[in-house]
Formats: sequence, C-alpha cells, structure tokens
Amino acid sequence: GAGVSQSPSNKVTEKGKDVELRCDPISGHTALYWYRQSLGQGLEFLIYFQGNSAPDKSGLPSDRFSAERTGGSVSTLTIQRTQQEDSAVYLCASSDRRGYQPQHFGDGTRLSIL
Amino acid sequence: RKEVEQDPGPFNVPEGATVAFNCTYSNSASQSFFWYRQDCRKEPKLLMSVYSSGNEDGRFTAQLNRASQYISLLIRDSKLSDSATYLCVVLRSQGNLIFGKGTKLSVKP
Repeated sequence: GAGVSQSPSNKVTEKGKDVELRCDPISGHTALYWYRQSLGQGLEFLIYFQGNSAPDKSGLPSDRFSAERTGGSVSTLTIQRTQQEDSAVYLCASSDRRGYQPQHFGDGTRLSIL
Repeated sequence: RKEVEQDPGPFNVPEGATVAFNCTYSNSASQSFFWYRQDCRKEPKLLMSVYSSGNEDGRFTAQLNRASQYISLLIRDSKLSDSATYLCVVLRSQGNLIFGKGTKLSVKP
C-alpha cells in the first residue's frame, strides 16, 4: 500500500519567505510526527499529533514554526520568516497508534534557504 | 547533556567482523528503546526493538541495561550491505521518539 507521502521533495526559497511542507500519512495511522535532520546531524523531534489530542509541540524550535493536522490525516508544517539555519531535511512519520513501532517515514522535504 | 548519546564513529570494519555500538540515555523514565538504520540520504527505518532481556534477530543482537541507562547493538559477520548509520532511539512517556545522532558503520571488502 501507499506509504507516507511528503511534498514538495525539494524546496528552495529566499530568507524571510514563508514555506509550507505537506505530509500525507499512511491511511488509518492515528499518530503523526515531524522531525528535521540537518546535514550530518541526527533527527530532531519537532511535533507530534495523536488522534484528536492536543499536539505535543515541545520540539518546535521557535514560534516561527507551526503545524496543523486537518481531519486527523494530512498535516502541514509551516515555517514563517525563514532563516538560513532552517535549512534541513524535514521528515514526517506516522504510526498506527501512540508510540507504536515502527514509525513509517516519508522521503522528506529538503529545504534550502538562500 | 543530550538525552540520547552515541559515538558518531565512523566504524570501519572488514567483512565478517563483529562490531558493537553503544548508546546512553539520560531520562530514566524512558519507556522503550529501538535501533533504527538510516542509509545515506534515505529515511530512517526500524531495525529492531530493544528488550530488557536482550533480543536477537539473525546477526543482530540488542541489549538494554536500565540500571546503567545503556543500550547496545551487536552485529556479527558484517556484510557490505550493513554499511549505514545506526540510530539509537528512545521513546518518551509522552509518546514521541528521541533519536541519537547515529553511529556510522562502513563495512569494507
């Protein structure tokens, strides 16, 4: 079946612009996670959605970052007023319940801020 | 102190060698533990869970020591295809995963 789908696969934008990254999880998966991975670095947790519960936003690095998950399915990660340090690969993962393994990862969005 | 710490490597080993990776975690309330594998420029994929009693999957053995807050992964009879970055992963009680930065393994012919 279809895996986790992310779009766009690559995004290049100028510093100061806003960007939206999309994640379409595996159908039926209630848990959705966003991570980012900078070059040569590990995965950094950003935000976690579980069903209709309030999201865990504890990993968001600043108030320029926000995420929504509409209808318990598709999620959008928005970065406002982008900075060069926001350049990274943004990975989305889903699982069929809270904390359940494995988390299935999308291919990621490679974001480059000029 | 980082919540999950690993030796970044790289570990360069010949085919057939046995190699071990270690990982420490700082939050004693951590619930579950995993090893993920990430190939270059690819997404991470679950390799195996880590159980308190230790568990084995083919050539791979994972161990957990809760008292020392220490996790290990042993790979026997290394193959070229084992070359990757191995991520130590801890599940927080809140349900989100914390990833280590990974240990890079390169298996040479």
